[in-house]
Amino acid sequence: SQQGEEDPQALSIQEGENATMNCSYKTSINNLQWYRQNSGRGLVHLILIRSNEREKHSGRLRVTLDTSKKSSSLLITASRAADTASYFCATDKGGFQKLVFGTGTRLLVSP
Amino acid sequence: GAGVSQTPSNKVTEKGKYVELRCDPISGHTALYWYRQSLGQGPEFLIYFQGTGAADDSGLPNDRFFAVRPEGSVSTLKIQRTERGDSAVYLCASAGGPNTEAFFGQGTRLTVV
Repeated sequence: SQQGEEDPQALSIQEGENATMNCSYKTSINNLQWYRQNSGRGLVHLILIRSNEREKHSGRLRVTLDTSKKSSSLLITASRAADTASYFCATDKGGFQKLVFGTGTRLLVSP
Repeated sequence: GAGVSQTPSNKVTEKGKYVELRCDPISGHTALYWYRQSLGQGPEFLIYFQGTGAADDSGLPNDRFFAVRPEGSVSTLKIQRTERGDSAVYLCASAGGPNTEAFFGQGTRLTVV
């Protein structure tokens, strides 16, 4: 079963615009990770945010975490056509426990 | 190696046959995960290893699926009596420690005909 759900399921924007994706989850976590996937193959790790963190940045990526609402958001600023991909959040209850993925957001960035 | 390596990258097999999928994790990573992903879905957890032991195999769909990691490094996912519904991309990931990033391989696309 999927722990998280991403919202929206699909997002279509123009290059240069910002893209925001949301992830909701059901149980308490130790950390949350965001991944990108191109063409349905390997997942590329983007960022990990721990439960005691509220915001994290990496280049054009900004991730927020609200543990009281059990939700996270991923913001991609100044999007590029190369950002076109599916984006997934994954939660981990702690230690080496299994990562559980959401359903994904399909992002399309048009030139 | 530099990253997680999965072989083969593609596998076509006939219904009823046995298949093995291999995962080479990042050197030194003690946690190893197997996932299955169907078209348009998120990765679905199958099993995870901590060292040589399967710490959680609750995602294996039935007893046709089995995975091993005998020396705490390379892992093999084994599927017996394959069915067309087993067709999917099988992903492997490894992680080095608690609360650290899990890195994925490129996956094996299994097609059962």
